[in-house]
Amino acid sequence: KAGVTQTPRYLIKTRGQQVTLSCSPISGHRSVSWYQQTPGQGLQFLFEYFSETQRNKGNFPGRFSGRQFSNSRSEMNVSTLELGDSALYLCASSPDHFTQFFGPGTRLTVL
Amino acid sequence: AQSVSQHNHHVILSEAASLELGCNYSYGGTVNLFWYVQYPGQHLQLLLKYFSGDPLVKGIKGFEAEFIKSKFSFNLRKPSVQWSDTAEYFCAVRTNGGSQGNLIFGKGTKLSVKP
Repeated sequence: KAGVTQTPRYLIKTRGQQVTLSCSPISGHRSVSWYQQTPGQGLQFLFEYFSETQRNKGNFPGRFSGRQFSNSRSEMNVSTLELGDSALYLCASSPDHFTQFFGPGTRLTVL
Repeated sequence: AQSVSQHNHHVILSEAASLELGCNYSYGGTVNLFWYVQYPGQHLQLLLKYFSGDPLVKGIKGFEAEFIKSKFSFNLRKPSVQWSDTAEYFCAVRTNGGSQGNLIFGKGTKLSVKP
């Protein structure tokens, strides 16, 4: 089975712009979660989607949003980018809400 | 709020040395426990997991971890490390049982193995 794929792998944006990141889960996995990884804060949970519904949300401002499509693919959007949003954004899919399999991440740099 | 603590930020060992990485969590209810590894330039990979049953869990590549409920700990061990074990190791906890699937991660421990 192919693993979790994320596009793009690298992205450079400027402050104030918005960005959309994409994640394709492992085939058959209906749960998709997003995490932000930074050197200072480590890995922090953003949100989880299952069957196109947001089931859980982390402690991030409303500028961070996401959605899931009927084929389980997910996107996350960050509006009005800030320098502090520079991070590695990880997507994880799960067949059962328990064990999560991670993708390679999208490295976002905000200038 | 729930949290996960990994005691060591950076551990340096010689090949064949034994490894133990500490992980403690703060949550009094039912937990699922995980160790993930991130090799240089690669994505997070699951090493092992504990859901219930035998508190000694064996994972891939010779790693094992022991869940000690009374100590809220889930330490990772390997009897003899190899240079290829150089990586960053993350302990993670899933709380709240039921349908919520988010993981709470520790800050990670970088392991450097000298050949």
